[in-house]
Amino acid sequence: DIQMTQSPSTLSAFVGDRVTITCRASQSISSWLAWYQQKPGKAPKLLIYAASNLEGGVPSRFSGSGSGTEFTLTISSLQPDDFATYYCQQYNSESYTFGQGTKLEIK
Amino acid sequence: QVQLQESGPGLVKPSQTLSLTCTVSGGSISSGDYYWSWLRQRPGKGLEWIGFIYYTGRTHYNPSLESRVTMSVDTSKNEFSMRLNSVTAADTAVYYCARGEAMDVWGQGTTVIVSS
Repeated sequence: DIQMTQSPSTLSAFVGDRVTITCRASQSISSWLAWYQQKPGKAPKLLIYAASNLEGGVPSRFSGSGSGTEFTLTISSLQPDDFATYYCQQYNSESYTFGQGTKLEIK
Repeated sequence: QVQLQESGPGLVKPSQTLSLTCTVSGGSISSGDYYWSWLRQRPGKGLEWIGFIYYTGRTHYNPSLESRVTMSVDTSKNEFSMRLNSVTAADTAVYYCARGEAMDVWGQGTTVIVSS
């Protein structure tokens, strides 16, 4: 299986901050990476697909970059609605795998 | 727009089989454009992909669950299903169905508790 490792596990930030979450794959996954946002009690929401493509309806303050084994999700200016848990997921292999999640908390 | 809805028992006894169905509305499973997945999230934990099925019936399962899981599709009912046998308390989770490789549509999730 391809292992996905996110960092940090927890991130505290202020409204208006620029934040970056990193996701590393145990082997190259080209650009077959998705990012999700999940709020308590809710299903995950797709934010980014193919590493850098913004899903329709997702605010432009979200962006993704990277290829191969290292990827980032950046939120350019945090809004109150952005405090949630974020997951990366690879779909290069048919055995999809997720990162362990990054909880974004209000400072 | 496409919507997914999970259904099935909320309580399953240990050693028995967990059976869930995902009903697709607003679009056809048979379009052939997507894989259809099952995932779960144990209490306080991250997301775990269980497996996917294509409308042809082709499946691929998480190696860690492969020996216990079976997925099927009923294109006439526009739904797909999952069975997980020999369940234990460790299978207690919220179970989701979702569409695609980058999963753009999700069901709301259904809580399954394994307990006697």
